[in-house]
Amino acid sequence: DAGITQSPRHKVTETGTPVTLRCHQTENHRYMYWYRQDPGHGLRLIHYSYGVKDTDKGEVSDGYSVSRSKTEDFLLTLESATSSQTSVYFCAISESPGRLILYGYTFGSGTRLTVV
Amino acid sequence: AQSVTQLGSHVSVSEGALVLLRCNYSSSVPPYLFWYVQYPNQGLQLLLKYTTGATLVKGINGFEAEFKKSETSFHLTKPSAHMSDAAEYFCAVTVFTGGGNKLTFGTGTQLKVEL
Repeated sequence: DAGITQSPRHKVTETGTPVTLRCHQTENHRYMYWYRQDPGHGLRLIHYSYGVKDTDKGEVSDGYSVSRSKTEDFLLTLESATSSQTSVYFCAISESPGRLILYGYTFGSGTRLTVV
Repeated sequence: AQSVTQLGSHVSVSEGALVLLRCNYSSSVPPYLFWYVQYPNQGLQLLLKYTTGATLVKGINGFEAEFKKSETSFHLTKPSAHMSDAAEYFCAVTVFTGGGNKLTFGTGTQLKVEL
């Protein structure tokens, strides 16, 4: 979607290195989310944000941290990348809980991360 | 906490045949249910959603789903499959209270359409 972009689109990194993925939105939505997608697991929530500097953990948050210093940017950091973090990472946005139930998320195009 | 279960990780149908993708939900409060589609190497796109009211909901590309509370189901159907329907489909749920600001997804169903 034009209103949400993820960068980089592809990345290969070595085990033990830190990696930061960026999600940028132009919709001024309050809620932002990071999911990972793995075969057989669907999409699992890593972290989400409900406002600037307000974040919370999802179901698979170990080994990940996030930051949101501006409404438009939500950063996901793998503190020390491991092979188990090889995955496709999706960012999503939502305006509010009320709008979520009416419209669902808007997703970014994803970042394919390979840890070697 | 709410959850969804998608039965069948892979479904194969012939072109022109009925598509049926199954989704069952678990929730202690009224759920809001979604189906998303993901084409290869793309993000997820909303197909349809159930909020309140009519239990049969229609979405894009000829898909529809019926909310059945008695069966805790929200199965996705399309009367006649087309080759372009080949994709992965995800069912998702949220609730309006108590953590109702995020979606919980199923594990996905890969749909293959054969000639």
